[in-house]
Amino acid sequence: ETGVTQTPRHLVMGMTNKKSLKCEQHLGHNAMYWYKQSAKKPLELMFVYSLEERVENNSVPSRFSPECPNSSHLFLHLHTLQPEDSALYLCASSHTGRSDEQYFGPGTRLTVT
Amino acid sequence: AQRVTQPEKLLSVFKGAPVELKCNYSYSGSPELFWYVQYSRQRLQLLLRHISRESIKGFTADLNKGETSFHLKKPFAQEEDSAMYYCALSNTNAGKSTFGDGTTLTVKP
Repeated sequence: ETGVTQTPRHLVMGMTNKKSLKCEQHLGHNAMYWYKQSAKKPLELMFVYSLEERVENNSVPSRFSPECPNSSHLFLHLHTLQPEDSALYLCASSHTGRSDEQYFGPGTRLTVT
Repeated sequence: AQRVTQPEKLLSVFKGAPVELKCNYSYSGSPELFWYVQYSRQRLQLLLRHISRESIKGFTADLNKGETSFHLKKPFAQEEDSAMYYCALSNTNAGKSTFGDGTTLTVKP
């Protein structure tokens, strides 16, 4: 598959569960991003990785833990989430971590019960 | 600090009417500005960026540094333009991108 892919597309989890979101890009990009999209705040940048190094962390609670094992893969590990964390989580990539166009994945719709 | 403001959360026009989606930014350096669009059930994607100075799907946007604005315009709106539009600013040095809260455009027949 080309572009940016995300799995799973939908996830329902309890507050005590541990789950992970996966993002993969097939574009040869060096930067990857996690965003949260919700009705309350349309698009919030969470984390930025450039060349596998975290360069941005927007005061995200520690119950969200990113991991970037290589430039093609990005994970978001989730544990002890709250119902207000229910949202669409978008992954994006760009050629570099600078002012390049970002390519977005389809998102993972997360519901915390 | 960099900030992007889209003052209209919702905008509704009739087909064939001109449309302008407003975007104002706050940034002390030389910004790169973008417009992204999200059609229903589709992923967020780039519509245009100011440095390319292109017209995409009939849309144009001019960077006005004096007014710190990057409004998106189209002279004749089409129903298929109905979507969520985000204005975004990128810090050319650190690569930090800031998105506005978005404007939902509805083009009525």
